[in-house]
Amino acid sequence: KAGVTQTPRYLIKTRGQQVTLSCSPISGHRSVSWYQQTPGQGLQFLFEYFSETQRNKGNFPGRFSGRQFSNSRSEMNVSTLELGDSALYLCASSFPRAAAGTGGSGANVLTFGAGSRLTVL
Amino acid sequence: AQSVAQPEDQVNVAEGNPLTVKCTYSVSGNPYLFWYVQYPNRGLQFLLKYITGDNLVKGSYGFEAEFNKSQTSFHLKKPSALVSDSALYFCAVREEIFNTGKLIFGQGTTLQVKP
Repeated sequence: KAGVTQTPRYLIKTRGQQVTLSCSPISGHRSVSWYQQTPGQGLQFLFEYFSETQRNKGNFPGRFSGRQFSNSRSEMNVSTLELGDSALYLCASSFPRAAAGTGGSGANVLTFGAGSRLTVL
Repeated sequence: AQSVAQPEDQVNVAEGNPLTVKCTYSVSGNPYLFWYVQYPNRGLQFLLKYITGDNLVKGSYGFEAEFNKSQTSFHLKKPSALVSDSALYFCAVREEIFNTGKLIFGQGTTLQVKP
């Protein structure tokens, strides 16, 4: 089956602009999480959406927002871009209900997309 | 608070030799532990996970990891390294009680396998 699809793969913006990134999860996956990856800070959790509701949020300013649609596709938006927002943004999907014997939903594996590389000039 | 540490920024090993990438964790309750690998300009690929049970977990591409509760470690191992194993490796943790998509990642370890 198709994996997690992120678009666009690469984009360049200037300071002050805004950007919207898209993520299509694996078919049947209902949870979508977003991560920011930078050389200095590593992988940091942005937020998670499940059934169109944000159920977990990382420690990022309000300029970072997201949403999820009824088909589980998700978008994240960054407004008033800053140079420090340059990063690889990764989306991951998972199916939160665990199969028997897997130890509970916390054992669910995140499947990541290839990422959207944002450069802010 | 949950945390993960990967003490080595880079690990160098010759092809055919065994490799170990180290990871230690800190959680309040029972941990779920994961290893992911990232190739250049790609997303993260899942290698293996520890939930409960056997302390030695086998994963993809010949990798395995050893869970040690007393040392709070989850080191990644492979008996014989390949040049194609060269990549960035991440250890991650989630507490058992949290049913979320949030993983806490280590800073990553670059594995360099030389011919």
